[in-house]
Amino acid sequence: DVKVTQSSRYLVKRTGEKVFLECVQDMDHENMFWYRQDPGLGLRLIYFSYDVKMKEKGDIPEGYSVSREKKERFSLILESASTNQTSMYLCASSFAVGPRYTFGSGTRLTVV
Amino acid sequence: GDSVTQMEGPVTLSEEAFLTINCTYTATGYPSLFWYVQYPGEGLQLLLKATKADDKGSNKGFEATYRKETTSFHLEKGSVQVSDSAVYFCALIDNDMRFGAGTRLTVKP
Repeated sequence: DVKVTQSSRYLVKRTGEKVFLECVQDMDHENMFWYRQDPGLGLRLIYFSYDVKMKEKGDIPEGYSVSREKKERFSLILESASTNQTSMYLCASSFAVGPRYTFGSGTRLTVV
Repeated sequence: GDSVTQMEGPVTLSEEAFLTINCTYTATGYPSLFWYVQYPGEGLQLLLKATKADDKGSNKGFEATYRKETTSFHLEKGSVQVSDSAVYFCALIDNDMRFGAGTRLTVKP
């Protein structure tokens, strides 16, 4: 089975801190995605990547950046965390062709 | 743009009750349609999918039929169990992937 591993299940950070959320997949998927999940809003796409060193903005990229230096790892960076970035963050990956996504277990981030 | 609308929750049912969670979509092309389930404390897992009109996806007693004429993909289960308590997301892939807002289901014994 494909595994998508997110490094932390729970994080608490202070306003203004730089925050790194890490995601690793082990099935050589080309595509990787970062979503945030908020009650009543479902999943919203922050950034995605179709290849190493490649990134594309999703629907809500403001306040975030990403890094994909290796195919298996996709990092989400909050340059200066704010309280409105308190959320559940979900990483996903997929092959370039084919509609099946595999999700990680999520990181619940609280910014205080 | 493409979008997914699903019924608002929360939904609370007694064990063995019939479940329907409505989902409708808007898409410019011919999307594939999905239902994902998120159990407490976990990520999303693919529950079932359908890739073309009139396809029926099924898994774990859940079913959904891709209805192009009504642009719908309603999730149904004939007899829910306490272990089905979770959040259910309807989703589509056309040019990119879009999710509904999620519907929380609680099944009481």
